[in-house]
Amino acid sequence: DGGITQSPKYLFRKEGQNVTLSCEQNLNHDAMYWYRQDPGQGLRLIYYSQIVNDFQKGDIAEGYSVSREKKESFPLTVTSAQKNPTAFYLCATPSSGGAMTGELFFGEGSRLTVL
Amino acid sequence: DQQVKQNSPSLSVQEGRISILNCDYTNSMFDYFLWYKKYPAEGPTFLISISSIKDKNEDGRFTVFLNKSAKHLSLHIVPSQPGDSAVYFCAAWRTNFGNEKLTFGTGTRLTIIP
Repeated sequence: DGGITQSPKYLFRKEGQNVTLSCEQNLNHDAMYWYRQDPGQGLRLIYYSQIVNDFQKGDIAEGYSVSREKKESFPLTVTSAQKNPTAFYLCATPSSGGAMTGELFFGEGSRLTVL
Repeated sequence: DQQVKQNSPSLSVQEGRISILNCDYTNSMFDYFLWYKKYPAEGPTFLISISSIKDKNEDGRFTVFLNKSAKHLSLHIVPSQPGDSAVYFCAAWRTNFGNEKLTFGTGTRLTIIP
C-alpha cells in the first residue's frame, strides 16, 4: 500500500537530549513537510523539502534540523536548542495532484514528551 | 502574523442540523483553500477544497463557500452526524514555483450532540 509512515508514535526525552523522528513515504513524491501541533495553535510548519538534497525553513524552524538524502525519507531532529519540544509532530506529502492544490496526505503523527 | 484565522475554538450542533465553520484569511495571493478534519492522536485528513477562482464547491454533505472580497470562507455540513465530531482546520495554499506550503488556521472543535 502507498502511504506515509512516522515513527515512533510516542517518544519520551530528557531535557538536553536530541531526538530524531522518522518519516518515510513510498508514494514517490518529491515534496515532504514537517508540522507541529500544539493545543490552540493549529499546525505550524517547521521545515519542508521540495526535492532531494534541498529543504527550506518553515515558520518555526529554530531548534530543529532536517535532512533529505533520499526521496522517500525526511527525518526531523529536535535538538536541545528547541525551548518547548513537547508537541505532536506530523509529516506530510502531497496526494496525487496535491502538489498543485495543497491536498496533503499526513502520517499518523509522533507525540514527543520532554521529561 | 496569522494569515489564516479560525475565530471560534469550538462549536456544538444538534445531530441533523447544519454545522457552519468559519475561516478568515489575510493574503489575497492564496490559490486554494482547504478543510481538514482531525481526530485526536491522528494525522489530519483532507475533506474538501476550493479554488480561489470559484465561490462554491460541494461534495455530498459538505459545501465550502468562498467570499474573496471579504477574505472569508465557510464549511457547511448538512445534515450533521455524530461521526462529524472532530477538530476542523482551515488551510490555504499558494502555488509559488517550488516554494509551495500549506498554512493552517488554529482549528475549530465541532461537537455533534445526539
